[in-house]
Parts: sequence; structure tokens; C-alpha cells
Amino acid sequence: GDSVTQMEGPVTLSEEACLTINCTYTATGYPSLFWYVQYPGEGLQLLLKATKADDKGSNKGFEATYRKETTSFHLEKGSVQVSDSAVYFCALSDLGTNAGKSTFGDGTTLTVKP
Amino acid sequence: EAGVTQFPSHSVIEKGQTVTLRCDPISGHDNLYWYRRVMGKEIKFLLHFVKESKQDESGMPNNRFLAERTGGTYSTLKVQPAELEDSGVYFCASSQHFEAFFGQGTRLTVV
Repeated sequence: GDSVTQMEGPVTLSEEACLTINCTYTATGYPSLFWYVQYPGEGLQLLLKATKADDKGSNKGFEATYRKETTSFHLEKGSVQVSDSAVYFCALSDLGTNAGKSTFGDGTTLTVKP
Repeated sequence: EAGVTQFPSHSVIEKGQTVTLRCDPISGHDNLYWYRRVMGKEIKFLLHFVKESKQDESGMPNNRFLAERTGGTYSTLKVQPAELEDSGVYFCASSQHFEAFFGQGTRLTVV
């Protein structure tokens, strides 16, 4: 079945450092890929998405590119802020069968220190 | 517009007791999903409703879990009797087309 593997955390960075959270996937079809974020005390929020190969999703300074050849969707940000501290989840969804049913990775906890 | 709302936000119960979690989806969303995250691991799919019908319940762990969505509006997830391994965060999500919107989750602790 489908699966998502995320870089293990936790990750601790200083403010303005560069961030990369690795995500690779296995899927039988042609999934859409997502990054969700959960800030402390809040629910899951969609951060960005990409629906086909070579698409780049971006939001709030974060970017991720759908790489079919390496089955990856790494999350990047050039300069993190304290407010980026959260848990980040990589996920995939096969729109062909069930648009909202998603497969998630384990989540990566990011802490940004001033 | 109100988002997906889950009640309660936290619940602590003893092993063997019953707990009912509730999810109010975004108004007009036909699709409703339940997920859970156990022991800080991945968020796992439990089941999917389309309106009041169960479209996919392949992720339900066992028959101690019962989900309902009467009238195609809000949904409940009952755990009876609860076991220690049921502890975790239970998320609900709703969607109409492409994007799923998640609630804050219910943190369930079974002691």
C-alpha cells in the first residue's frame, strides 16, 4: 500500500537558519502530495500541495517540489522564524479513488530558538 | 465560516469505560474522515463517510470502535470499552472537493 517516510525529528534550529525536512513516498498510482502543519494547541492546517510531477507548492516562505523520479517532496525554507515552531506532516492522497483519504508520515517536530 | 469542530478537546478515562468523540464538519461538506495519531507516530486513517454512508472503514482497528453520522451532519466515534492502546489524538476532517479541512483533534488518554 501507499506509505510516506519523513525525516526523523525533533529538529532544533536557530532563527534565520535554513530548513529542510525530507519526505519520500511510495504509491501505486499518481498521488497528490501535501505538507500539513500543526501549531501548538491548534489543528492540522494545509501548508502547501502539489498535484503532479515537477509542481512546486509554496506558502509562507515554505516550498516543496514534487519529484517523481526520486519519489520525494522535501519541505524547505530559507530562513525560519520562532513562529514556525510546529509539527510538520508530509502526506499523499490518491485523487483518483478518494480525494480526502490521505496517508501521512510520522510528523517532524521543529523548534526554532531565538 | 466555522471550521471543523471537535469535542471534547481532551478526555481522560479509565480502561473499560466508554468515550464518545464528536465532530462537526464544515457546513455543506459531504465527506467526513476520522484519523488518529497514536504514540506520536503517523496519523492513520480510520474511516470515511459520504453524507451518512460509510464509504470506507478499512482503517477501523476493531469492533470496539463505532462511528456514526446520522443525517449526514455531525459524526460521533464511540470507543467501548476503551483500552490503554486507544490513547492518542483523534482528528476529524471534512471536504467537499479537493482539500480536506481538519479539526483541532481530541486527545484521548486511557488510564
